[in-house]
Amino acid sequence: EDKVVQSPLSLVVHEGDTVTLNCSYEVTNFRSLLWYKQEKKAPTFLFMLTSSGIEKKSGRLSSILDKKELFSILNITATQTGDSAIYLCAVVRDYGQNFVFGPGTRLSVLP
Amino acid sequence: DTAVSQTPKYLVTQMGNDKSIKCEQNLGHDTMYWYKQDSKKFLKIMFSYNNKELIINETVPNRFSPKSPDKAHLNLHINSLELGDSAVYFCASSSWGGGGTDTQYFGPGTRLTVL
Repeated sequence: EDKVVQSPLSLVVHEGDTVTLNCSYEVTNFRSLLWYKQEKKAPTFLFMLTSSGIEKKSGRLSSILDKKELFSILNITATQTGDSAIYLCAVVRDYGQNFVFGPGTRLSVLP
Repeated sequence: DTAVSQTPKYLVTQMGNDKSIKCEQNLGHDTMYWYKQDSKKFLKIMFSYNNKELIINETVPNRFSPKSPDKAHLNLHINSLELGDSAVYFCASSSWGGGGTDTQYFGPGTRLTVL
């Protein structure tokens, strides 16, 4: 059965800390891996990764994929209270129409 | 401009009632989805439609029936509502193509509470 596992499920840090969120997967017909940030409402898209070893960056956030070991990490440097959210990892399989989501990591950044 | 919109945002109803949630996207995407997010924040796909055709129908009670009148709309009708149906329902749409351009956008969600 296809599955996406995220760790840790919950994380509390202080502003300025650096965090690493993990996502591992076992899916058939892997196509791409996506990271989302969910605050109070709908998930918002962060990154899409398709190739191993190529880092995607956006400000203080970066992510990389390892298709051999079947995992991805999301790094957030110099965290701010506005980074507090649930971070969701999703794997797209088949022809891009099937998204399998992980349970999410709840990040809390304290002042 | 709202990319993916859902109505209503909140829905409170009694057990046994029938209700509908509407979704529209103006992104020109071919594929639309319905997700259910429970109280533990776990997001689970329910249905996926591509160009009005049902692609994915996960293990969902047949009380849930999606309808896609055109590729910009995907509505969700729920019959005989049960307490366990209480959740936030998200509509989403996506485009994908060669070269790795998968992107998925979510609507604001509909919080359904069944009393």
